[in-house]
Amino acid sequence: GAGVSQSPSNKVTEKGKDVELRCDPISGHTALYWYRQSLGQGLEFLIYFQGNSAPDKSGLPSDRFSAERTGGSVSTLTIQRTQQEDSAVYLCASSLASGATDTQYFGPGTRLTVL
Amino acid sequence: AQSVTQPDIHITVSEGASLELRCNYSYGATPYLFWYVQSPGQGLQLLLKYFSGDTLVQGIKGFEAEFKRSQSSFNLRKPSVHWSDAAEYFCAVGPRGNEKLTFGTGTRLTIIP
Repeated sequence: GAGVSQSPSNKVTEKGKDVELRCDPISGHTALYWYRQSLGQGLEFLIYFQGNSAPDKSGLPSDRFSAERTGGSVSTLTIQRTQQEDSAVYLCASSLASGATDTQYFGPGTRLTVL
Repeated sequence: AQSVTQPDIHITVSEGASLELRCNYSYGATPYLFWYVQSPGQGLQLLLKYFSGDTLVQGIKGFEAEFKRSQSSFNLRKPSVHWSDAAEYFCAVGPRGNEKLTFGTGTRLTIIP
């Protein structure tokens, strides 16, 4: 079946602009995760959703970052007033349910470049 | 706070040679442990995972990993690598009762003919 999809695959923006990144999880997966992969860094957890609720937002680096999920499916990660340090690959994952025992399936990512 | 260390940033091995990628974690209790692989331009794919029980875990693509509690390690091994194994490998931990994964910084594997 279809995997996790993300759009756009690449996004180039100017410093100070807002961007929206989209994630379509695997159908039926109730948990959805956002991670950030910066050059030379590992993957950094940002936020996870169980259904439409976000029990853990602890990884969001600043109040410029927000995320929402509607209908228990699609999620959007919004970065306001982008900065150069926001340049990274943003990865989305989904799992059948929440909990570390449930395998997280990752999308191909959105590469964000802030000029 | 939990952490994961992958001490080798880059490893080069010959095709057909054996492979071991190191992973050490820091956590107060036994976490859930994972190895993921990321090929160029691809998302992460789960190779294997350990939750409990047998400390030697078999995964896909001929990989295995061994959990050693005394050493806080979860090293990934493969007896004979193939050129298609060239990729970046990430070790991750998921503390019990917590939903987020903490990843290491990754090990890039290069295969030479």
